[in-house]
Amino acid sequence: AQKITQTQPGMFVQEKEAVTLDCTYDTSDQSYGLFWYKQPSSGEMIFLIYQGSYDEQNATEGRYSLNFQKARKSANLVISASQLGDSAMYFCAMRVHSNFGNEKLTFGTGTRLTIIP
Amino acid sequence: GAGVSQSPRYKVAKRGQDVALRCDPISGHVSLFWYQQALGQGPEFLTYFQNEAQLDKSGLPSDRFFAERPEGSVSTLKIQRTQQEDSAVYLCASSLRLADTQYFGPGTRLTVL
Repeated sequence: AQKITQTQPGMFVQEKEAVTLDCTYDTSDQSYGLFWYKQPSSGEMIFLIYQGSYDEQNATEGRYSLNFQKARKSANLVISASQLGDSAMYFCAMRVHSNFGNEKLTFGTGTRLTIIP
Repeated sequence: GAGVSQSPRYKVAKRGQDVALRCDPISGHVSLFWYQQALGQGPEFLTYFQNEAQLDKSGLPSDRFFAERPEGSVSTLKIQRTQQEDSAVYLCASSLRLADTQYFGPGTRLTVL
């Protein structure tokens, strides 16, 4: 079974500072994908960034980067130059590639990020 | 282009009523997923379709939950005889192909009184 652990229930960060959101995962599979989603108060889940287990370089998307440390089974999200609009819940998720035809996501419990002006 | 849409956005039901939640995936997306998100928790998988075939329904919490996607596009999640523990946000996601990124709709917040 797969498990995602997010140990930071909430974080407060000053605007324009960088922030790291922690995520560790547990799986016995060799092929998997790691995702970060943002969920504002409006409720929709917004895809931010993806890292495949075989990708050798850390993924980057604009101000978002994923610090992937495979041996430690961690996939931390780094947001550079935080903005007020970054205030939201952030979820780490894992997808395991299976032969059963399902690619469901397993989510962590989330981190609520609040950006302080 | 248009994203995933869900309706209604909010639904209040009396205990024992049946409800139907609709999901319109992104056009052309083959895979469709339903998730349930309880308050303060991450989403949990309910069921998965590839085109019209329901390939995995292992996450459905009881036989009161039923999902369909008859023409391989729009999907409906039906909950019969709703209970208070069914109160949650129900999220729909679609992906172009099975292993692609899943894109989520805004969710339907169900409150059972």
